[in-house]
Amino acid sequence: SAVISQKPSRDICQRGTSLTIQCQVDSQVTMMFWYRQQPGQSLTLIATANQGSEATYESGFVIDKFPISRPNLTFSTLTVSNMSPEDSSIYLCSVHGSRTDTQYFGPGTRLTVL
Amino acid sequence: ELKVEQNPLFLSMQEGKNYTIYCNYSTTSDRLYWYRQDPGKSLESLFVLLSNGAVKQEGRLMASLDTKARLSTLHITAAVHDLSATYFCAVGLAGTASKLTFGTGTRLQVTL
Repeated sequence: SAVISQKPSRDICQRGTSLTIQCQVDSQVTMMFWYRQQPGQSLTLIATANQGSEATYESGFVIDKFPISRPNLTFSTLTVSNMSPEDSSIYLCSVHGSRTDTQYFGPGTRLTVL
Repeated sequence: ELKVEQNPLFLSMQEGKNYTIYCNYSTTSDRLYWYRQDPGKSLESLFVLLSNGAVKQEGRLMASLDTKARLSTLHITAAVHDLSATYFCAVGLAGTASKLTFGTGTRLQVTL
């Protein structure tokens, strides 16, 4: 199984500021995924982060708002830019375990924007 | 566009009873996952279903997959309070299996 850690675990931010969320995996993976879970809702895929190339964003999500870095095969960051209260959510990173065919999720970053 | 529907959205059941959660999806898929989420926590993987007719069981939970009907079920047998949580199904599009589309979730409350 893959062990995923995220920092910070939670944060309270002011409107208009930006927050960078870090995701670290204990093994090398080709793709890392970023999901958002709005309060009381299901999960929605934001983007796929590949090492050495630009992230691929899903419909409704743009690079200017959610820039992603993927400097190596075990690490990625997601920045939530120019935040508004509507960005208050849990942000989770995820990787696919090829041996187990399971999709693993990190503990999440709970973001509150005031 | 892949759509995943889950029902019921909320389920209150007594301990000892049986019930089934349904997950329907709209297009061909490589795989289907079931997850559990406790309040304020991340997702815990329960089952991965990879082929038509697949059935997996763990304790009081059993999951099955019918790819022809595009339907998966999560059956709860003799529910206990510890099973109270939100359950999500998630589907991977054929060829892009690692990108998941999640169902709406079923909030299960097991009462004593």
